[in-house]
Amino acid sequence: EIVLTQSPATLSLSPGERATLSCRASQSVSSYLAWYQQKPGQAPRLLIYDASNRATGIPARFSGSGSGTDFTLTISSLEPEDFAVYYCQQRSNWPSFGQGTRLEIK
Amino acid sequence: EVQLVESGGGLVQPGRSLRLSCTASGFTFGDYAMSWVRQAPGKGLEWVGFIRSKAYGGTTEYAASVKGRFTISRDDSKSIAYLQMNSLKTEDTAVYYCTRDFPTYCGGDCYVDYWGQGTLVTVSS
Repeated sequence: EIVLTQSPATLSLSPGERATLSCRASQSVSSYLAWYQQKPGQAPRLLIYDASNRATGIPARFSGSGSGTDFTLTISSLEPEDFAVYYCQQRSNWPSFGQGTRLEIK
Repeated sequence: EVQLVESGGGLVQPGRSLRLSCTASGFTFGDYAMSWVRQAPGKGLEWVGFIRSKAYGGTTEYAASVKGRFTISRDDSKSIAYLQMNSLKTEDTAVYYCTRDFPTYCGGDCYVDYWGQGTLVTVSS
């Protein structure tokens, strides 16, 4: 089983700042990694797939990078609606999620 | 517009069974693998299992935590996916999401591009 470890667990930033979230896999997942955003009481939403491709309708301020075992989700300039929990997910093997990073307002 | 609507959740005693349904609309249901993903209260996401499209054999795969107890099936004529849960345990308490897997060629190990609103299953005596 591939384990995904996200860091930090909580990230406190202000609107307008840049956010950098990390996801590390216990073994290579090639580029088979996605990022999701989840707001309280809502289902997750797909942001990025195959490490760097934005899903339909996702703003350009969201970008993904990485391959192998190390991946990054970057939000270039935080909007108020971006404060949420973010999960990475791999599909290289049995699909699994990271434990999440909570992005909160500082 | 793609829509996934789950039903069938509720309170059930340990050891009992429950069947969830997921009614899909807005896309050609038979072309996609479908999954169930759960989230325990205040916790992260766990992939429960998936069912491939008929083009990929219509077979199923399950997480180790539910294998032998849960069964996923599909009725492409009605655009419905099912999750039959037997021998329920308290640790199965969670919101269960029905999901459409993406891309269509993934055949099983996929991402999710659409999620239902979720249905809460509470296993408690």
